[in-house]
Amino acid sequence: RKEVEQDPGPFNVPEGATVAFNCTYSNSASQSFFWYRQDCRKEPKLLMSVYSSGNEDGRFTAQLNRASQYISLLIRDSKLSDSATYLCVVLNQAGTALIFGKGTTLSVSS
Amino acid sequence: GAVVSQHPSRVICKSGTSVKIECRSLDFQATTMFWYRQFPKKSLMLMATSNEGSKATYEQGVEKDKFLINHASLTLSTLTVTSAHPEDSSFYICSARDPGSPTNEQFFGPGTRLTVL
Repeated sequence: RKEVEQDPGPFNVPEGATVAFNCTYSNSASQSFFWYRQDCRKEPKLLMSVYSSGNEDGRFTAQLNRASQYISLLIRDSKLSDSATYLCVVLNQAGTALIFGKGTTLSVSS
Repeated sequence: GAVVSQHPSRVICKSGTSVKIECRSLDFQATTMFWYRQFPKKSLMLMATSNEGSKATYEQGVEKDKFLINHASLTLSTLTVTSAHPEDSSFYICSARDPGSPTNEQFFGPGTRLTVL
């Protein structure tokens, strides 16, 4: 089983749609979780951290289910500028390095 | 937010040559930097963890004699791809952890796209 698994997509949605991405991780001892965004041929940038109680940042909502080792990202009212690859990222057990999923590609069209 | 720079952004070289990539943290001191590699449509793969003043820690399957890492100061780490071959062509990205960040956030450099002919 891969350490971090994501549905690669692509997800093709119209503007204004709500879209959800899922991610699972294999190491139950993982402590920190993140969603990064990567635009084509660019470096990843932190979108948001994911907290146990779930957290929201504007149109973005992240959820964590430790029992299922499952992380989600919900994007409401999608914008054209949301088109990118969304990376599910887990801090390894030692707390020393980030483990990246392959990413889920989102394409928002008008 | 914190800024990490990388140089060069793009390099094309002949097979057999060595290429050095620099990673700098511009507004914070980073005792630890990370080097990743990303092939097209693949995830970022950690290659090594660079520790200031000590030897880098390499991930399994990464040849330390081929990918030389030097972390000589708190703001600079270098990755040298020695005797590069076409299969080394990839997107190399460094990151640095800001010790002042409460969320363990790592800041990424803009990446270096290496093409070996």
